[in-house]
Amino acid sequence: QKEVEQNSGPLSVPEGAIASLNCTYSDRGSQSFFWYRQYSGKSPELIMSIYSNGDKEDGRFTAQLNKASQYVSLLIRDSQPSDSATYLCAVASGSARQLTFGSGTQLTVLP
Amino acid sequence: EAGVTQSPTHLIKTRGQQATLRCSPISGHTSVYWYQQALGLGLQFLLWYDEGEERNRGNFPPRFSGRQFPNYSSELNVNALELEDSALYLCASSLGNQETQYFGPGTRLLVL
Repeated sequence: QKEVEQNSGPLSVPEGAIASLNCTYSDRGSQSFFWYRQYSGKSPELIMSIYSNGDKEDGRFTAQLNKASQYVSLLIRDSQPSDSATYLCAVASGSARQLTFGSGTQLTVLP
Repeated sequence: EAGVTQSPTHLIKTRGQQATLRCSPISGHTSVYWYQQALGLGLQFLLWYDEGEERNRGNFPPRFSGRQFPNYSSELNVNALELEDSALYLCASSLGNQETQYFGPGTRLLVL
């Protein structure tokens, strides 16, 4: 069974700090990786996708992928209170198009 | 550009009834996905439709079914509702040849 594991948190960081969110996955055939942000009572919002080993930066967000270690992470620089949400790691495994989600990490950015 | 839309936003049913949930994808997207987010269980994949056909199905009983219409909108039907079907049902869409999925606001189903 394909699994995606995340630290459930909660993770608290002060405003302006770097928040680091981690995710591991079990299926070595996984090709596509996504980070979603979900505010309480809302639906998931796509933050970033990453497909190749290495880093991918988009504004304050950096996704890192290491397929050999089956590990993907999300760094949020200069964290803001508005970043307080649950962050979901999702993995797709090719033609099935099925996203397998981790349980999410709850992040709180303290003013 | 309008995002994924879902209706209704909330739905209250009693056990044994049927529920119908609707989804309209982003314009130009041909693939529609359904997920269930129940308390404590996380997001679980239900169904994938593309070009009117069911392409993949998650580990849910047959009473969860759906269809996709020629305009790519979709409907999720849940028959013989059970209390544990209470959840947020999320629809997502993507371009036909891409995996990146964009979610709608969801329908919150409560089964009493």
